Amino acid sequence: GQNIDQPTEMTATEGAIVQINCTYQTSGFNGLFWYQQHAGEAPTFLSYNVLDGLEEKGRFSSFLSRSKGYSYLLLKELQMKDSASYLCAVRDAADSWGKLQFGAGTQVVVTP
Amino acid sequence: DTEVTQTPKHLVMGMTNKKSLKCEQHMGHRAMYWYKQKAKKPPELMFVYSYEKLSINESVPSRFSPECPNSSLLNLHLHALQPEDSALYLCASSPIGGGVERSTDTQYFGPGTRLTVL
Repeated sequence: GQNIDQPTEMTATEGAIVQINCTYQTSGFNGLFWYQQHAGEAPTFLSYNVLDGLEEKGRFSSFLSRSKGYSYLLLKELQMKDSASYLCAVRDAADSWGKLQFGAGTQVVVTP
Repeated sequence: DTEVTQTPKHLVMGMTNKKSLKCEQHMGHRAMYWYKQKAKKPPELMFVYSYEKLSINESVPSRFSPECPNSSLLNLHLHALQPEDSALYLCASSPIGGGVERSTDTQYFGPGTRLTVL
């Protein structure tokens, strides 16, 4: 089994930076995904990490440290439309099928 | 194009009704998934089809019956549901599906069907 922990809610101001942390404990590790989900809508794929380090995609970056079981999603130059839930999902290598396990999500509230 | 479509967007049904949810993708993906999501909770995996064969059934009650008529379509047949089955039902697809070595396989979600069981 695995535990995936992320904060429940974060609030930040428009134009600011927010960092969402995700820690996980898995029997094995085979990739970590970040999804954005607006209320009542489907999750949208943001980023993927399998090796240690930083992956940058425009205003969004994701970092992974496998030895620490830790990832973060960095949102820069926050916009009002970034208000959403951000889901961390881990693929456990010990699962022969490689299913994704989702964290509970972090609700980001962007204020003017 | 990373589009997965789902119909209907909203569905209200009684406990004695029979209805079906539909999902379609034309990205050539070989794995398709059904998830159930309750408010303020993460998606919970229900079923996975890989190469049109049922690969995973996460101990889902038999009142939910999946069907994969071809590689582009996935259905979820509903019968005798309970009010606690009310949720957002999400379909997803991924290029490969499964396998420890297929670490980069990314799932793309459809917009979901909001189901209310009365």
